[in-house]
Amino acid sequence: EVQLLESGGGLGQPGGSLRLSCAASGFTFSSYAMSWVRQAPGRGLEWVSAISGSGGSTYYADSVKGRFTISRDNSKNTLYLQMNNLRAEDTAVYYCARGRIWFGDYWYFDLWGRGTLVTVSS
Amino acid sequence: EIVLTQSPGTLSLSPGERATLSCRASQSVSSIYLAWYQQKPGQAPRLLIYGASNRATGIPDRFSGSGSGTDFTLTITRLEPEDFAVYYCQQYGSSPLTFGGGTKVEIK
Repeated sequence: EVQLLESGGGLGQPGGSLRLSCAASGFTFSSYAMSWVRQAPGRGLEWVSAISGSGGSTYYADSVKGRFTISRDNSKNTLYLQMNNLRAEDTAVYYCARGRIWFGDYWYFDLWGRGTLVTVSS
Repeated sequence: EIVLTQSPGTLSLSPGERATLSCRASQSVSSIYLAWYQQKPGQAPRLLIYGASNRATGIPDRFSGSGSGTDFTLTITRLEPEDFAVYYCQQYGSSPLTFGGGTKVEIK
């Protein structure tokens, strides 16, 4: 079955760190760019970060640049998001999503995980 | 950054009625870089449309997308009970990728 399964969410302290994981199955993971998209409680969707299939290129939203690091291990079919210097405004459900290119250089998302909740609070 | 504004914020309709959702971009977006998603409470978003008008795999033909430049539309011809949800547009023509704020389609 083609699926994405996130883990690693939970309660983080302001200024602290969390690491999210996303396990992929049912497709050739290394052939696809992957992204993290978050959704604050009761709010809309916000793209956070993306990584190319090889892992050689990474992209970040300004709101997380310098604090979050996206990476992947294609041998383990797993995507990661290292979240440092957490802020209250990082509280959200974090989804991993598979990127597809339709011409151009960037992605729409045709497969989503169920999400993992990150709460930043003291 | 391209800002996407969706309207209306909430659309109250009855099953069987037609829904027309708008997505307006702050600058021109090539139609090949516009997608639509559906999200139900407690669930992940689901891709409906990419390239402004191409239905994703398994999406019923009552969903259609159109538009170009700065104005895009998602139309649901006859609302089924399972179509009541929140809908988001997304542009992927430039970084950062951005989403609209969403339109909630609720049962009248």
